Amino acid sequence: NAGVMQNPRHLVRRRGQEARLRCSPMKGHSHVYWYRQLPEEGLKFMVYLQKENIIDESGMPKERFSAEFPKEGPSILRIQQVVRGDSAAYFCASSPPKPPQRGVRETQYFGPGTRLLVL
Amino acid sequence: DAKTTQPNSMESNEEEPVHLPCNHSTISGTDYIHWYRQLPSQGPEYVIHGLTSNVNNRMASLAIAEDRKSSTLILHRATLRDAAVYYCLVISNFGNEKLTFGTGTRLTIIP
Repeated sequence: NAGVMQNPRHLVRRRGQEARLRCSPMKGHSHVYWYRQLPEEGLKFMVYLQKENIIDESGMPKERFSAEFPKEGPSILRIQQVVRGDSAAYFCASSPPKPPQRGVRETQYFGPGTRLLVL
Repeated sequence: DAKTTQPNSMESNEEEPVHLPCNHSTISGTDYIHWYRQLPSQGPEYVIHGLTSNVNNRMASLAIAEDRKSSTLILHRATLRDAAVYYCLVISNFGNEKLTFGTGTRLTIIP
């Protein structure tokens, strides 16, 4: 039972290049979340997606960042024209479909993260 | 989601019990208390959660105050592998899905 997979684990980009981060959720999970952790800081929510839908992108910067979770394949977090301030660890989490009864919050299972370094 | 307050850091000796406190004085009646931990260079890992009653699982125990304004994560016998940042989160069951992490408690285990 593989956990959440993220690749690459480390990514180095020069300023102005594009970064593509991939996340494969756990088997049977249809909800994906992306979080960012700047050096020496806590994790900050970026975006929540279900298959082919963005549910909550309130934590995403308005420019240069986009996310998708297609019907087939992994979820992708895309950062265009990277800047040094984008250097951080990006974590993906997944959770199963919501249970039928209200009042139950599903656990989120996190991947190992992608560490992006912008030179 | 309700705000939580945790000490920035704690130390404990190996094989001793560890009590990690969390204050959440603005918790509402339907909020759950969740704990996650983040080991060095890894993603966060779910530890335990509860609503009103104390909870036990293979990793830890969660003691919840009667008024629910505070809780304590208990590691019964700390090992070096328990060195991590521990996050206490209060999560609404009727709000949105994101997790809001604070700064957590950095636990150091002394051999």
